Order: sequence, then C-alpha cells, then structure tokens
Amino acid sequence: GAVVSQHPSWVICKSGTSVKIECRSLDFQATTMFWYRQFPKQSLMLMATSNEGSKATYEQGVEKDKFLINHASLTLSTLTVTSAHPEDSSFYICSAPGYSWGGGYNEQFFGPGTRLTVL
Amino acid sequence: GEDVEQSLFLSVREGDSSVINCTYTDSSSTYLYWYKQEPGAGLQLLTYIFSNMDMKQDQRLTVLLNKKDKHLSLRIADTQTGDSAIYFCAESPTGGGADGLTFGKGTHLIIQP
Repeated sequence: GAVVSQHPSWVICKSGTSVKIECRSLDFQATTMFWYRQFPKQSLMLMATSNEGSKATYEQGVEKDKFLINHASLTLSTLTVTSAHPEDSSFYICSAPGYSWGGGYNEQFFGPGTRLTVL
Repeated sequence: GEDVEQSLFLSVREGDSSVINCTYTDSSSTYLYWYKQEPGAGLQLLTYIFSNMDMKQDQRLTVLLNKKDKHLSLRIADTQTGDSAIYFCAESPTGGGADGLTFGKGTHLIIQP
C-alpha cells in the first residue's frame, strides 16, 4: 500500500523554541494532508487540513499562529510548532488520502507519528 | 459535536474471539472504519463499512453496524498474540479523502496466553 513517512520520529526541545515536523507521501501525490495530535490514552484529534498551494484549514480551537502548516509540494507537508511549551508535548500524526489498489477504494494513509517533548 | 466512544481495554485469551465495541453520535456518518495501531507503527486500516451496510466480513474480521443505535463492533476470530494492539474506531461523513476522521480513544486489546 501507499506509504507516508514522518520526520523526525521523536524530538526533544527547550521551551520557547520552534520545531518542524515533516510529513511525506513516498509513492503517491497528495493535494491534501491531515495533521492530528494524540495525547496518552486519548483519541487522535484532527488539528488541521493541509492544502497544497493554499492556506491550511484549522479545526476550531487550534491556534494557526502556533501551529504553522506549509504544504510545499504534492508530497510534502510540514507542521511547525512555534514557541513550544510543555503543554504542546504530544504525539503528532499526519495522514494523506490515497487510492488503495488492493481494496479498490480511497483511504487515509497514516504516518508513524512524531513524539514531541518540550522541556 | 461529533463523538466516538470506545472502552479503553479488552482482555481475551489466545484462540478466543475478541469483540470491540464503538458508539458514535454523528447521524451523518457515512463511512465507519477500524484502525489498528501497533507501537512505533502508523495506523493501519483494518476494515471499513458504509452506513448502508449491516455487516461486513473479511477473513477473521467481522464488522457489525447497528445504524439505529449508532453502534459498531469489530469481531476478531481466533485471536492471536499478533493481534495485540490498540484498535481505533473512526467515522467520516465523506469518503477517505475529503475530510479528516473523527476517532474514538482506542481500545487496547490484551491477549492472555
């Protein structure tokens, strides 16, 4: 099936610094990608929809100036957590819709996630 | 808003059947999914069902949908140690492309030898 990668897998940073997380679709193109965050024992919460060539769409309650999204190409979306604080520590997961040749339908392909720890 | 609920843990013996339950509130949910999450790996789509279906079977997996009660279940027959993972129920009003998904908190399936 289609593969989505994320980099880095985990990152530790100091409070006040900015961190960039990359999401790549490796063998397919994606005009849309989605960013989620997951707290321990919690569900994945959709943060924003990343749109290639236009502005991202943010879910209610998500600060767009805090979580900057750039969909630079048809295979790359980046999430930058600006001026990170300990409460931003979480597991960030991206997904991209693609065609499942085996199943014959569209589905979301998920990256392995990025663990962010802010000290 | 939309809400998807699951129990957090399920413990079963190896070889038994596992039944993971999920309830959702969004009446416009058209696509319902089951994902598996193993440590260090991305979410893997196990199966899905459209809201106009009652049941779907795929090898060891059986999905039952009670649209009236907004209840979805995943049955794993002959549960094996490799089935140990967190299982997420998710829903979407559209297909797998136009919108993000709404997830439950996930059910941690524990396999006893």
